[in-house]
Amino acid sequence: GENVEQHPSTLSVQEGDSAVIKCTYSDSASNYFPWYKQELGKGPQLIIDIRSNVGEKKDQRIAVTLNKTAKHFSLHITETQPEDSAVYFCAASNTDKLIFGTGTRLQVFP
Amino acid sequence: KAGVTQTPRYLIKTRGQQVTLSCSPISGHRSVSWYQQTPGQGLQFLFEYFSETQRNKGNFPGRFSGRQFSNSRSEMNVSTLELGDSALYLCASSWRESTNEKLFFGSGTQLSVL
Repeated sequence: GENVEQHPSTLSVQEGDSAVIKCTYSDSASNYFPWYKQELGKGPQLIIDIRSNVGEKKDQRIAVTLNKTAKHFSLHITETQPEDSAVYFCAASNTDKLIFGTGTRLQVFP
Repeated sequence: KAGVTQTPRYLIKTRGQQVTLSCSPISGHRSVSWYQQTPGQGLQFLFEYFSETQRNKGNFPGRFSGRQFSNSRSEMNVSTLELGDSALYLCASSWRESTNEKLFFGSGTQLSVL
């Protein structure tokens, strides 16, 4: 079955710097890769997603890249702000299940 | 439009008891997925229901079960509770099957087993 590894588990950056979170997946049939942000006391919320027919997608300060050959995808946050502090989860799915990574706790210091 | 509602928000049980958690999806959503969240383990997939049928199941023992009603509301049940079942249980709904759709999560039910 699918397995998703996520790194790093914690990430601390200064406000205004960039943050990068990386994930690898095992099932080459996976074709959908969403990213979720979870703030304290809340459920995860989708922030961006990418499908296997696209290599990169951007939405304002957030971008995701996908390398199907290497089976890894990354989340890039530019010009980080304190409100970006949260736990971020990557996920991968084929037609069977949506499997999540173990999460990255991002702290943005003012 | 109301979001995904999970009840209760907090629950304390003792070992050996059973528990039922409830999830009301966003109106019009037909898929409900359940996840167990523990520190360091991320979100572990429990099962997904679509139009009252279990579409898929994760690698959890048979003590974990669920169902979905005709109005798409879902319940999950855990019997013979163990200490290791302490976790945040999240429910997510989507219009179609979860594997290709944006999931809308509830705030979860925090279960503590003593």
